Amino acid sequence: QKEVEQNSGPLSVPEGAIASLNCTYSDRGSQSFFWYRQYSGKSPELIMSIYSNGDKEDGRFTAQLNKASQYVSLLIRDSQPSDSATYLCKVYGNTGKLIFGQGTTLQVKP
Amino acid sequence: NAGVTQTPKFQVLKTGQSMTLQCAQDMNHNSMYWYRQDPGMGLRLIYYSASEGTTDKGEVPNGYNVSRLNKREFSLRLESAAPSQTSVYFCASSITRWNTGELFFGEGSRLTVL
Repeated sequence: QKEVEQNSGPLSVPEGAIASLNCTYSDRGSQSFFWYRQYSGKSPELIMSIYSNGDKEDGRFTAQLNKASQYVSLLIRDSQPSDSATYLCKVYGNTGKLIFGQGTTLQVKP
Repeated sequence: NAGVTQTPKFQVLKTGQSMTLQCAQDMNHNSMYWYRQDPGMGLRLIYYSASEGTTDKGEVPNGYNVSRLNKREFSLRLESAAPSQTSVYFCASSITRWNTGELFFGEGSRLTVL
């Protein structure tokens, strides 16, 4: 089992829809969770971080964390074509490891 | 304010050749990292430097060496390049090793080993 798993996609949604991106992790003691966005040919950039169970909202983005079920998700409301990118989940584990998932490619179709 | 600067951006090597990827940051960050990114594999940590004067292995250190030259600069060396090292390499920095929030990435270096 990979330490951090994401569905590689592509996930295709129509413009204006909600895109839901999921990430599961194996280290039950993981403490911090992050979502990065990476446009094709570019470097990753941080868009959200979450540390405690529940939801965290920032504009059109909502991060959801459920430590009991060991998953973290990213919801993008009112998806735009400019949201088309690869979304990387990053987990800071109890052992001090920083692990990235393999990324989910999102395609938002006009 | 350049952030994290990597050189070169593109490089083609023959098997067995050596090369060094250079990275510099101007944000006064303590920690620096080298990642490689391969299709379907996400970002994998090669080496990191929690602070000036220290370096540690990441997930995939074999075939690489690093030098934390000073607080600003962190280089990655391939002593004898192999085709399996064909990848996109990213340097990143963060305020401290334990501030595990934001990593700031360079633009990437695309390496092809023939």
